Amino acid sequence: LAKTTQPISMDSYEGQEVNITCSHNNIATNDYITWYQQFPSQGPRFIIQGYKTKVTNEVASLFIPADRKSSTLSLPRVSLSDTAVYYCLVGENTGRRALTFGSGTRLQVQP
Amino acid sequence: GAVVSQHPSRVICKSGTSVKIECRSLDFQATTMFWYRQFPKKSLMLMATSNEGSKATYEQGVEKDKFLINHASLTLSTLTVTSAHPEDSSFYICSALRQGSSDTQYFGPGTRLTVL
Repeated sequence: LAKTTQPISMDSYEGQEVNITCSHNNIATNDYITWYQQFPSQGPRFIIQGYKTKVTNEVASLFIPADRKSSTLSLPRVSLSDTAVYYCLVGENTGRRALTFGSGTRLQVQP
Repeated sequence: GAVVSQHPSRVICKSGTSVKIECRSLDFQATTMFWYRQFPKKSLMLMATSNEGSKATYEQGVEKDKFLINHASLTLSTLTVTSAHPEDSSFYICSALRQGSSDTQYFGPGTRLTVL
């Protein structure tokens, strides 16, 4: 399984755009990149998933360069409620492989 | 989006008793479910992979006789912590795999187990 590296923590202010970058240098051809958000004492919540280029949904955007060795989760105009831990995971799209969680990035949004 | 539930959300039990935690995929079928545990301010750690109709696959260091997993249907997996001890106190989270053009794991809300 591809290992991921993320910043341990980030700080931001309400209304700002936040970009969290994840490194996954040994990503495999069949691997997808998935981001989850987790609040204290809750299960992780699916945010976005992508394979290459750019993916956008109502919550976030995911940018993946051509070499796929990194990815950036972009949260537009964060609010206090976006304070959480964000996990970047890389896994094979076979339906059989479990995800390995790294330490995640603890985002603190201040007023 | 896909919904996964867990029951109970919180349980307190005495040392030596057994506790069963249910994980259900409410709006999709899941042949594969996963069980994780999480300690305070730590990341999730995979315990086992649960496959419908077959035996679960446990991660190294996880006692299969202590953490019994049953995946009897396409929407239900159960984790039973047998003879629980205080060191088993943790946050247990399940996920269900929704297969499609890109397979995605959806997580339950978690179960807080406290063993006295």
